Amino acid sequence: GQQVMQIPQYQHVQEGEDFTTYCNSSTTLSNIQWYKQRPGGHPVFLIQLVKSGEVKKQKRLTFQFGEAKKNSSLHITATQTTDVGTYFCAGGASNQFYFGTGTSLTVIP
Amino acid sequence: GAVVSQHPSRVICKSGTSVKIECRSLDFQATTMFWYRQFPKQSLMLMATSNEGSKATYEQGVEKDKFLINHASLTLSTLTVTSAHPEDSSFYICSGFPGATDTQYFGPGTRLTVL
Repeated sequence: GQQVMQIPQYQHVQEGEDFTTYCNSSTTLSNIQWYKQRPGGHPVFLIQLVKSGEVKKQKRLTFQFGEAKKNSSLHITATQTTDVGTYFCAGGASNQFYFGTGTSLTVIP
Repeated sequence: GAVVSQHPSRVICKSGTSVKIECRSLDFQATTMFWYRQFPKQSLMLMATSNEGSKATYEQGVEKDKFLINHASLTLSTLTVTSAHPEDSSFYICSGFPGATDTQYFGPGTRLTVL
């Protein structure tokens, strides 16, 4: 079945450092979405990528969709304490979304 | 963004009882709703896809007779956990998918504890 893996599972960074999480799917995706979930909360939609090789930016966040549409990355520049949370990618195929394993980000002030 | 509500937010029940969780899209029509389960510090696991007016499609390993899903209208889907057992304790989250934008909107989740 559909498998979406993320690495790393956990990441601790000093405030101001950069952070990247990688998402890899076992199958080709029609789109990929990224979500952020704070402890005790529900996932909040960040962005969707659809095109092969697409790159989108949201302030300090840069999202990339691989050429083969099987992998994606989220890069945060100069992390802040407000970036703390778990970041999930969700691979879309046939109007269903399969969540990645998530990367838990801790930012040390 | 669009708003999805879930009720109840927390429920504690005895083993063997059934629990119904409601998921409502408040300001859009959700042609499709998804039900997920999330265990502590783990990812969201898709349980089933619910389309209005038709039977839900369950993911492999999810018992359809145990997790009854009804999507009676474009704004309401319900998940009933029948004969709940302690291993069913989890965080259940629904999401609404309008279809037009390919974005799903999540409810706040329901924390189920089965004693």
